[in-house]
Amino acid sequence: GENVEQHPSTLSVQEGDSAVIKCTYSDSASNYFPWYKQELGKGPQLIIDIRSNVGEKKDQRIAVTLNKTAKHFSLHITETQPEDSAVYFCAASIGSSASKIIFGSGTRLSIRP
Amino acid sequence: GAVVSQHPSRVICKSGTSVKIECRSLDFQATTMFWYRQFPKQSLMLMATSNEGSKATYEQGVEKDKFLINHASLTLSTLTVTSAHPEDSSFYICSAVSGLGSTDTQYFGPGTRLTVL
Repeated sequence: GENVEQHPSTLSVQEGDSAVIKCTYSDSASNYFPWYKQELGKGPQLIIDIRSNVGEKKDQRIAVTLNKTAKHFSLHITETQPEDSAVYFCAASIGSSASKIIFGSGTRLSIRP
Repeated sequence: GAVVSQHPSRVICKSGTSVKIECRSLDFQATTMFWYRQFPKQSLMLMATSNEGSKATYEQGVEKDKFLINHASLTLSTLTVTSAHPEDSSFYICSAVSGLGSTDTQYFGPGTRLTVL
């Protein structure tokens, strides 16, 4: 079945440095790739998404890249701040529908002051 | 925009009772909503797809008679955990789809922490 793998499971970076989280997916028909940030005890918050017709998207300190040939996509956070500490989930659509998505296993990001 | 609410945020109930969780899209209409379950330090597991005006579609292994879903309007879906037992204790999260076709996006509620004693 469809699968999304996410690495690393935990990541600790110095404040101000960059953080990169990588995901791979199995369904070649997937065309929508959102990233969510989840803080303790809260629901996931959409932080950025990318669709298959583009290879990169940026929003201030956050960027996502997509390589459809290799079936992998990555989240890049630059100039990290303490409030970036959270669990981050990548996801990929099941088939061509952007509604139903399958999640990666999550990355716990810690920002060291 | 694109705000999804859940009520209650947390609930404690006795074993054998039923609990209803509401999910509302506050500023958009959603023909499709999803219900997820999340165990501590784990990812989100899709339980079912809730479609307005029709029966929910359940994922494999999810008991439809135990987790009753009703999507009565374009802004409200409810999940009822019937005859709850301690193993049903979990974090339940709903999401609602905003937009159509190639521009649709899934937004999540804040979650409901269910504890069954």
